[in-house]
Amino acid sequence: GAVVSQHPSWVICKSGTSVKIECRSLDFQATTMFWYRQFPKQSLMLMATSNEGSKATYEQGVEKDKFLINHASLTLSTLTVTSAHPEDSSFYICSATPKVLWGAQYFGPGTRLLVL
Amino acid sequence: AQTVTQSQPEMSVQEAETVTLSCTYDTSESDYYLFWYKQPPSRQMILVIRQEAYKQQNATENRFSVNFQKAAKSFSLKISDSQLGDAAMYFCAYREEGGNEKLTFGTGTRLTIIP
Repeated sequence: GAVVSQHPSWVICKSGTSVKIECRSLDFQATTMFWYRQFPKQSLMLMATSNEGSKATYEQGVEKDKFLINHASLTLSTLTVTSAHPEDSSFYICSATPKVLWGAQYFGPGTRLLVL
Repeated sequence: AQTVTQSQPEMSVQEAETVTLSCTYDTSESDYYLFWYKQPPSRQMILVIRQEAYKQQNATENRFSVNFQKAAKSFSLKISDSQLGDAAMYFCAYREEGGNEKLTFGTGTRLTIIP
């Protein structure tokens, strides 16, 4: 149980294009989902907290207009990197907290983004 | 603000031996949760074990156990009978009780298993 999927697993795009990453909780409902960014050999950096049916809460320093987050349902959140540039290249990970199981976040497998 | 410190950037252990990874945290809260996550080379974050601060009993999951010392704000992970598949980055994480569900992560410890 508590499986989270992400799609795509990796994407290469040209500078200036937009990329959408989907995060789905497959076997549970998640009122809250989280988006992280991870640079090589570093810890996870929280970008935003996404609540179903409301606007996402962004961490300080994260550009809201560049990283658009939509939490359309209890099982789906999307992150859109708008007008991507090479510095946006990174590993993006989502996570979700089940309603029933306390406390823990369950993570998707991550999306590797390379912007050329 | 809460902080989580992992003072061992790298650790190694012989296969079948026991290793302990250290984690300390700083908080003014009395109720909270602590976690250990594993990130193997695939980069998939996997929940290893969790502990509720109000529970005195240390959590155990098969070969994984914790030593939770609330007064000392210490939360170490012991891996017994180490296996090659245990090789990974291990992250300690803290979460407040209540509405704020955000996790605060430590910087991680890279564990190498020596055959």
